[in-house]
Amino acid sequence: AQSVTQPDIHITVSEGASLELRCNYSYGATPYLFWYVQSPGQGLQLLLKYFSGDTLVQGIKGFEAEFKRSQSSFNLRKPSVHWSDAAEYFCAVGSSGGYQKVTFGTGTKLQVIP
Amino acid sequence: EAGVAQSPRYKIIEKRQSVAFWCNPISGHATLYWYQQILGQGPKLLIQFQNNGVVDDSQLPKDRFSAERLKGVDSTLKIQPAKLEDSAVYLCASSLDGVYDYEQYFGPGTRLTVT
Repeated sequence: AQSVTQPDIHITVSEGASLELRCNYSYGATPYLFWYVQSPGQGLQLLLKYFSGDTLVQGIKGFEAEFKRSQSSFNLRKPSVHWSDAAEYFCAVGSSGGYQKVTFGTGTKLQVIP
Repeated sequence: EAGVAQSPRYKIIEKRQSVAFWCNPISGHATLYWYQQILGQGPKLLIQFQNNGVVDDSQLPKDRFSAERLKGVDSTLKIQPAKLEDSAVYLCASSLDGVYDYEQYFGPGTRLTVT
């Protein structure tokens, strides 16, 4: 069965500092990987996705993520965090082949301090 | 392009009562998903429809939860009777298709509190 681990429940960074959110997945084949962001009271918005090809993926709002097969990781990064980035971030893995089933991690809540 | 619509946004009921949630997906999207998101957890898939057929309902508590997607457009999720542990946000999402287009678009959710 596929699964996702986000080891950091809560992260605090200063505005302007760099950010890295960790994500490890478990899946038997080449996974489809996603990062979503959820602001308070809102639904989830897709930041970026990896299906194949270049392992460094660019997303919206200045985010990027790198797929590392050897480490089963898909960490999310941003070079300079803005106060508006405060939200909860979810990593997800999708099954390949047939109807896709997406499994979400438990999320990392990001706090940005001035 | 209009997004995924859900109603109501908030609902408070007592245990053993019934409740229903409505979802209108993005026009033309064949696949519709219902997720349950308990506080502090990631979304958990309850049921996935492809047009008006069920693709996956393996995690749907069928003794109390039911869902339908008539005419392959709108969908309704019902809980009867509700339990305290059903308190959660219920998210609806849709995608163009569930196989080749993997991006899911989420609605704002319905926050259910069972007292």
